[in-house]
Amino acid sequence: EPEVTQTPSHQVTQMGQEVILRCVPISNHLYFYWYRQILGQKVEFLVSFYNNEISEKSEIFDDQFSVERPDGSNFTLKIRSTKLEDSAMYFCASRIGTLNTGELFFGEGSRLTVL
Amino acid sequence: GENVEQHPSTLSVQEGDSAVIKCTYSDSASNYFPWYKQELGKRPQLIIDIRSNVGEKKDQRIAVTLNKTAKHFSLHITETQPEDSAVYFCAPNSGGYQKVTFGTGTKLQVIP
Repeated sequence: EPEVTQTPSHQVTQMGQEVILRCVPISNHLYFYWYRQILGQKVEFLVSFYNNEISEKSEIFDDQFSVERPDGSNFTLKIRSTKLEDSAMYFCASRIGTLNTGELFFGEGSRLTVL
Repeated sequence: GENVEQHPSTLSVQEGDSAVIKCTYSDSASNYFPWYKQELGKRPQLIIDIRSNVGEKKDQRIAVTLNKTAKHFSLHITETQPEDSAVYFCAPNSGGYQKVTFGTGTKLQVIP
């Protein structure tokens, strides 16, 4: 069964460094998302992406964050100048985009630890 | 933006009892109403969903009921088992490319 894949599964970085989290959505899906989940808390929307551009972003998704789909398969989240409070699990998700289903398929997540 | 709340935030039940979790939302354009289950350390996964033209849907021990007029929908789990212990999230949306806001989450503990 097709799956959303994410790398790395865990990244440890020093405060102020840049990180790139990578995702490969399911191949025939059209809508892509990044979510953040701080330990023990809710799943927070960061950004949605469709037709090679951001369709919507949250207040969390400020100039520190950017997304890219560089080659038609990968979908990346870049976090510049990381802060301690960026430590969280980052989930990528995709959905097919037809009207019959709105199910979000999540990757296993990338755990980011900022020291 | 969409305001999505869940009640209760935590729920403990004895194995075999029923559990009900309610989700209230604010966006009247929502027409797709899913529930996701997130086990400890895992990703959220869809367990049941319903569309706005249907009032109730059942799949074995789980069911979802929708009251679109009142803008709430509920997850019902009967004959609970220890493996039902998890955090449950609702995520009502209109199915397009816009943001999908997840509810505040309900931690269910089933006591053997």
